[in-house]
This record gives sequence, C-alpha cells and structure tokens, in this order.
Amino acid sequence: EAGVTQFPSHSVIEKGQTVTLRCDPISGHDNLYWYRRVMGKEIKFLLHFVKESKQDESGMPNNRFLAERTGGTYSTLKVQPAELEDSGVYFCASSQVRAPLYFGPGTRLTVL
Amino acid sequence: AQSVTQLDSHVSVSEGTPVLLRCNYSSSYSPSLFWYVQHPNKGLQLLLKYTSAATLVKGINGFEAEFKKSETSFHLTKPSAHMSDAAEYFCVVSDTGGYNKLIFGAGTRLAVHP
Repeated sequence: EAGVTQFPSHSVIEKGQTVTLRCDPISGHDNLYWYRRVMGKEIKFLLHFVKESKQDESGMPNNRFLAERTGGTYSTLKVQPAELEDSGVYFCASSQVRAPLYFGPGTRLTVL
Repeated sequence: AQSVTQLDSHVSVSEGTPVLLRCNYSSSYSPSLFWYVQHPNKGLQLLLKYTSAATLVKGINGFEAEFKKSETSFHLTKPSAHMSDAAEYFCVVSDTGGYNKLIFGAGTRLAVHP
C-alpha cells in the first residue's frame, strides 16, 4: 500500500512569490490534515479536511494560505505571497475515520 | 488547553543500553497520548498510543510507554537501543480526545552510539 506522498520534497522561493504544495493521501482515507514545523518550533496543526470539506481550519496562520481538496482526493496548500516566516516543513497526513494518522515525509519550504 | 512538554531536546545512548525519553502532559480531561518517530527523510510514524485502556502501552520496535496520571507523564522506554533507533521522537496529545487535532511536543533527538 502506498503511503502519503508529498510534492515537492523541497522548494526554495523568493519572498513575495507563490508556492503550491501537493499532498496525495492514502487511497480511501477521507481525513486529510496539514501540519507544519517552523524552524525551531513545534509541529503545529493547520487544517483538517473530511473528504472535500474543511472540517477545521483553526490553525491556518492568515489569509495568505489557501488549502483545497479537489473531489476529496489530493490536496494542495498554496502560499501567496510567501513571507520569510513561512519557511519550514509542511507535513500532510491522512486517516480513516477515528483512526491514527499516517504522515507524509513533508515538504521543506525555504523563503529567501 | 492540552499541551505536552518533552523534557530533553537531545538524548545520547550507547547501543544495547536502555532508552528513556521523557514527556509530561497537561490535559483538562482524560487524554489521548501518542509517540511518533521521524527518521531522516521519512514521514512521521506512529510508535504507540494511549487511549484510556491499559496504562502500559506496547508499541512497535520494542518501545513502550507508561501512562502515569499522578505524575502527568507518558515516558517512552526501550530496554536495549539499536543503531536504527536514532531518530527524532515526538510526544503528542490529542486536543479533542480523538485523532483529529494533534498537539506536538518539541521533539527529542535520539543519538545511538556504537
């Protein structure tokens, strides 16, 4: 069974540019989550999808971040425009109902 | 609000010696607690979980953790470290009692020396 995959693995962009991160969950997992770890800090929750609907987006830092989940399959997280403080590792996770989360390897984002 | 504190940012042990990674939690109700591990360039992997059943929880790769309510602790242990255990370990509490919104500790980086 394929795990959670994330693309790209690394992204380096200039401040003010736009970046889109993609997550492909495990097939059949209705729950999809985004977390991030800013340098030197804890991993923090960003948001939670159930199928294509946003269940909880209380962790999204501001309106420069936009998450979508088309058709309840893969998800994208767009940062526009990127700021220096957005640098970090963005993790995606998926799960079945009331089950543990499976995490992807993360996307390392560097904003210069 | 729920929170976890990992008491050591780095732990170094010799191969074959015991591992102890310390975690204290704060929760306003009976918590769901987890330990996750991240090996280099890999995703976070669930080691074990506590959800109010037995207080001694056994996980994968010989790890176990004991829930101690009186001490608000959930320390992770392994009797004998292996080189492949070198990784970063995260103590995690659920904000909602389930799995949906996890709160992570700062992480403990475990080094294992020959």
